[in-house]
Amino acid sequence: GAGVSQSPRYKVAKRGQDVALRCDPISGHVSLFWYQQALGQGPEFLTYFQNEAQLDKSGLPSDRFFAERPEGSVSTLKIQRTQQEDSAVYLCASSLRPRGGAAKGKLFFGSGTQLSVL
Amino acid sequence: AQKITQTQPGMFVQEKEAVTLDCTYDTSDQSYGLFWYKQPSSGEMIFLIYQGSYDEQNATEGRYSLNFQKARKSANLVISASQLGDSAMYFCAMREGRDKLVFGAGTILRVKS
Repeated sequence: GAGVSQSPRYKVAKRGQDVALRCDPISGHVSLFWYQQALGQGPEFLTYFQNEAQLDKSGLPSDRFFAERPEGSVSTLKIQRTQQEDSAVYLCASSLRPRGGAAKGKLFFGSGTQLSVL
Repeated sequence: AQKITQTQPGMFVQEKEAVTLDCTYDTSDQSYGLFWYKQPSSGEMIFLIYQGSYDEQNATEGRYSLNFQKARKSANLVISASQLGDSAMYFCAMREGRDKLVFGAGTILRVKS
């Protein structure tokens, strides 16, 4: 596709439910990032992939959060046993180049998935 | 740890006038990169401009320019000739390590006609 695509656009979950958020990066992009954006705040880093390898997961808030990119293209962010504090917009971004590509700010972001946990 | 501070929660500007959005940063690194992103109501983050810490000249991209004052650790965004379509959330960010970006809390800009 022309840009980074994320689905679903909106997700409402009951507390305790598991959710899966999908990201389709731009074709051929090596790097993929997940960010969490709480209401009225800036995005916060969750995790980073270079192709299928998850090189940095230091931003994942708990072991309930899990991300994968098995074939180096589409990525899924899974949240188990969702809690109200997980409510946020989850942004995916991709970059053509591996490490260093992000240095020039050429991250292409999707429109995000807005997760609401009731 | 690095930190980005945007002290203006919201700004108004008259159409066709210039506006400055403030950003200060804190880092002990010698080499770093600073960015500005625009986030319209659609939610997508749009890259606007980049400034490297060793760049001698202030970065410019069309109507956007970055007023980089290294000694003051500030990287203010200047938007000239504001347009109604500039109304959005604006984020200042810094590269941390070699991969991730650290974002400020953002400034909402409203352009008045």
